[in-house]
Amino acid sequence: EAQVTQNPRYLITVTGKKLTVTCSQNMNHEYMSWYRQDPGLGLRQIYYSMNVEVTDKGDVPEGYKVSRKEKRNFPLILESPSPNQTSLYFCASSVRGVVDTEAFFGQGTRLTVV
Amino acid sequence: GQQVMQIPQYQHVQEGEDFTTYCNSSTTLSNIQWYKQRPGGHPVFLIQLVKSGEVKKQKRLTFQFGEAKKNSSLHITATQTTDVGTYFCAGVGYSTLTFGKGTMLLVSP
Repeated sequence: EAQVTQNPRYLITVTGKKLTVTCSQNMNHEYMSWYRQDPGLGLRQIYYSMNVEVTDKGDVPEGYKVSRKEKRNFPLILESPSPNQTSLYFCASSVRGVVDTEAFFGQGTRLTVV
Repeated sequence: GQQVMQIPQYQHVQEGEDFTTYCNSSTTLSNIQWYKQRPGGHPVFLIQLVKSGEVKKQKRLTFQFGEAKKNSSLHITATQTTDVGTYFCAGVGYSTLTFGKGTMLLVSP
């Protein structure tokens, strides 16, 4: 089954404790991205990757890191989480870029930083 | 940067009534995509519009792209309880999608 898998689905952590949210897709997609969703603010892009070893900042990259060492994986790293990073996070992938292709979203990771 | 505004933020209808959400961009869009997110779920792609003035239909859903490619709308005819969710438009840029804030639709039976 074609899918984007995120782990964990739920996470409660403390301020400053490094964490990684994993994202994996099995569709051989070139493009992957991370979004955060907050009430009243919609979906905002954090980082995206056009292909392996190619990453770039989205609209809200501060406090986040990403890497793309393999085509299928695109982990989101929070080196020192803060309470303002409490949010619902979605990973998405598409065949190539965003033009003319639909984005497939993971199930989401609900992160709480206390 | 590109901004995409969506209205209304929220709408509550009775089952059988029609529903429309509107999307406006500060810049001309190359394409626009629409997504639906059910409560507790993730966004799911509905459709992409590419051409100026384009109109596409999916059963009870009608999507329109403005002549100037700066606005779009989604109209649902005779809503059903299964239509409940948040509908997002997304402006397609060279390498990113810029999402509107979404319209949450609640349908009462």
